[in-house]
Amino acid sequence: EADIYQTPRYLVIGTGKKITLECSQTMGHDKMYWYQQDPGMELHLIHYSYGVNSTEKGDLSSESTVSRIRTEHFPLTLESARPSHTSQYLCASSGQSPGELFFGEGSRLTVL
Amino acid sequence: KNQVEQSPQSLIILEGKNCTLQCNYTVSPFSNLRWYKQDTGRGPVSLTIMTFSENTKSNGRYTATLDADTKQSSLHITASQLSDSASYICVVSDRGSTLGRLYFGRGTQLTVWP
Repeated sequence: EADIYQTPRYLVIGTGKKITLECSQTMGHDKMYWYQQDPGMELHLIHYSYGVNSTEKGDLSSESTVSRIRTEHFPLTLESARPSHTSQYLCASSGQSPGELFFGEGSRLTVL
Repeated sequence: KNQVEQSPQSLIILEGKNCTLQCNYTVSPFSNLRWYKQDTGRGPVSLTIMTFSENTKSNGRYTATLDADTKQSSLHITASQLSDSASYICVVSDRGSTLGRLYFGRGTQLTVWP
């Protein structure tokens, strides 16, 4: 079982609030990712990191930001949430095996 | 355009029955293909990995096949159980860069009824 954790699992907030989704892994993986997933749709990469102080935007444009100050920690922040940000956010990490991702349980965000 | 298409979109079967899920891809150059299982409200978990030279691989009641010539893969589930109810996602990795970019299908939602 993968050792990657996300908090909170569920979050309901009002428009304009700032939120941070936490993601931590204990596997020592350098590569970490944030995906956005809507019902019936494929996962979309919104941010990734290859190591400390390295962050890049993914394929799907997102108003969120990320940071990678420690290897094990990869938080995602939304400065001002809007209803369009309502979605499931999945954090993942990968080791040496090509294409194998270890996912967290996800954070389901609802913005009212 | 690199794409991954899965069929059917959803499937309902009775407990104990077998089923086969399909994945067609156009990703090139191909590196590997993985099937993930995603339980409702959880993150996806890898079931199998198929590389270019592999035709069949089993993981318990799950058997994946790959035809690299036709760019098709299937996931066969034998003697289904209620716990098999989940979304099954096909993910293809390319060799175009050191990144090993991943292409995701939309998944097949499998429901197993008692």
